[in-house]
Amino acid sequence: DADVTQTPRNRITKTGKRIMLECSQTKGHDRMYWYRQDPGLGLRLIYYSFDVKDINKGEISDGYSVSRQAQAKFSLSLESAIPNQTALYFCATSQRGEQYFGPGTRLTVT
Amino acid sequence: SQQGEEDPQALSIQEGENATMNCSYKTSINNLQWYRQNSGRGLVHLILIRSNEREKHSGRLRVTLDTSKKSSSLLITASRAADTASYFCATDAWGSGTYKYIFGTGTRLKVLA
Repeated sequence: DADVTQTPRNRITKTGKRIMLECSQTKGHDRMYWYRQDPGLGLRLIYYSFDVKDINKGEISDGYSVSRQAQAKFSLSLESAIPNQTALYFCATSQRGEQYFGPGTRLTVT
Repeated sequence: SQQGEEDPQALSIQEGENATMNCSYKTSINNLQWYRQNSGRGLVHLILIRSNEREKHSGRLRVTLDTSKKSSSLLITASRAADTASYFCATDAWGSGTYKYIFGTGTRLKVLA
């Protein structure tokens, strides 16, 4: 089984809808991250959490919120989706240093 | 803004040749890492080099770090068609009390069989 899983893998939603992306990890890592990837822009950090009670904004947090339900679970929410949030979203974990990535969620907002 | 900038944006070589990719960054870092991404998939960690290290090897990979120039290079020797992927550098640093983990824009490598 994969160490970092993301659900759903693909999602198409309409403008204004609320959507949640979920991430689970079995690596026992304290640190978890959410990124978005757009063509030609690499990955950009949305939020990160260094433990269950620690939540921090990343480079591009506007329009997003997160919840760290447990050490192993970190969810990303789009409260009111807009078309420019169409992207590939990745969850990652780390203990320190190298990060381990999930397979990604392809989100399309129409 | 993106801290890491990679050069070239795209590289096409023949199997067996060496591939070199460069990464530049803007601020002091704790370490620099290289990742590989096959099309549309998650990133896979390749190698980490700490700010006090100058060179590191892992199999066919060689990474250098020049903190005075704020740059790093990734060399893949004896490339194979299976090395075809995008390669990203990422820097890890604390700045103004905020943690920053910033990826470069990536180099798309194509190895022709």
